[in-house]
Order: sequence, then structure tokens, then C-alpha cells
Amino acid sequence: QVQLVESGGGVVQPGRSLRLSCAASGFTSSNYAMHWVRQAPGKGLEWVAVISYTGGNKDYADSVKGRFTISRDNPKNTLDLQMNSLRAEDTAVYYCARAPVTIQGFDIWGQGTMVAVSS
Amino acid sequence: DIVLTQSPGTLSLSPGERATLSCRTSQSVSRDYLVWYQQKPGQAPRLLIYGASSRATGIPDRFSGSGSGTDFTLTISRLEREDFAVYFCQQSGSSPYTFGQGTKLEIK
Repeated sequence: QVQLVESGGGVVQPGRSLRLSCAASGFTSSNYAMHWVRQAPGKGLEWVAVISYTGGNKDYADSVKGRFTISRDNPKNTLDLQMNSLRAEDTAVYYCARAPVTIQGFDIWGQGTMVAVSS
Repeated sequence: DIVLTQSPGTLSLSPGERATLSCRTSQSVSRDYLVWYQQKPGQAPRLLIYGASSRATGIPDRFSGSGSGTDFTLTISRLEREDFAVYFCQQSGSSPYTFGQGTKLEIK
């Protein structure tokens, strides 16, 4: 069964760090670019970051650039998002998503993990 | 950044009716890179349409996509109760890979 499962969310104080993980199963994640997308409570979807198949290319939304780092471990089929200097506006459900080159969209999504930044 | 504007914000229709959702982009987007998703409460988004008009695996043929340039449309030909949800368009051609703000399709 093809699936993505996120973990690592929680409540964290402003300025602190948190690391999210996404475990892929049922497919070889190294064949796909992988993304993080977030959704603030009651709001729309916001793209956060992307990493290429090999991990050699990464890109970020301006809102997280310099604070978040995306990485992957292909042998372990995992994707991470290191989030530093967290702000209240980073509060959201964070989804990892798979991006096949043949579709140019996100065909598989995880169930999401909630991050709440609050003092 | 490419801004995607969806209209209407909320669409109230009855089962069996036809739904037409609009997505306008602030600059021209190749059809290859226009995507539609459906999201139900408490769930992750689900891929519906990619390449502006290609249905994703398992998507019923009552869903169709069309458009080009800066104007794209998602049409649901005959609404079923399970179709009432929020719909997002996205451009996946250039970073940042922006989404529209969503159209909520609610039962009238």
C-alpha cells in the first residue's frame, strides 16, 4: 500500500525548533521529488519546500527560507523538515506529498501532523 | 509569485446539479502545470485533475478540467453528496508552487 506517514508535530514555544519526519512505504521514494505543504487552522494550502530525487536540489517558500531545512534519506525512505526559530504564524498541519514527474502535481499525501507554536 | 484566484468562494448547489469552479492565474500557466485537489474536513487533499484536464487514478468521469493561459475551470457534471468539499487549484510549474484560496462547495 502506497502511503506517507508524518510524525514529529506538537506544541512548541516561539523561537524553538522542531523536526518533522515523513515515512514512505509501498514505493521507492528516491524516484520522486518530495514536498512539504502546510495548512493553518481554517485556512488554505501553502507550499513550504521541495527536495529533488537525489536531495541535491532544494527550494523553499520565502516565509520559511533560512529557518526551515528539508532533507531526505533515500535508503531509509524518509523525508524530514527541520524547523528552527518557529513563529506563531508557523502553526499549521504539515503534510508531506509525493510529486511524480509525469503528473506535475502531488498524487500522494500523508495524513498530516499538527504543529502549534505558542507560549 | 503566481497568484491563483478561485471563484466563487462558496458555491451552494443541490445533488444532481452541475458545478463550475473557476481558477484564474496572475500570469499565464502552461496547461501541464495546472492541478486541482479536493479536500474534505479532517482529511488530506486528494489529487483530482492534473495537466489541466487529465483525471487522476480513480477519479470519476463526472469531474472534468479545462482551460488554458490564465483561466481554468473544474466542472462536476452531476453532483453527488460525496462531492461537497473544498476544492483547490495549484500551479506546479514555477516555485513557489502556489495554491488558490479554495472554493467551498456546500449543499444547498
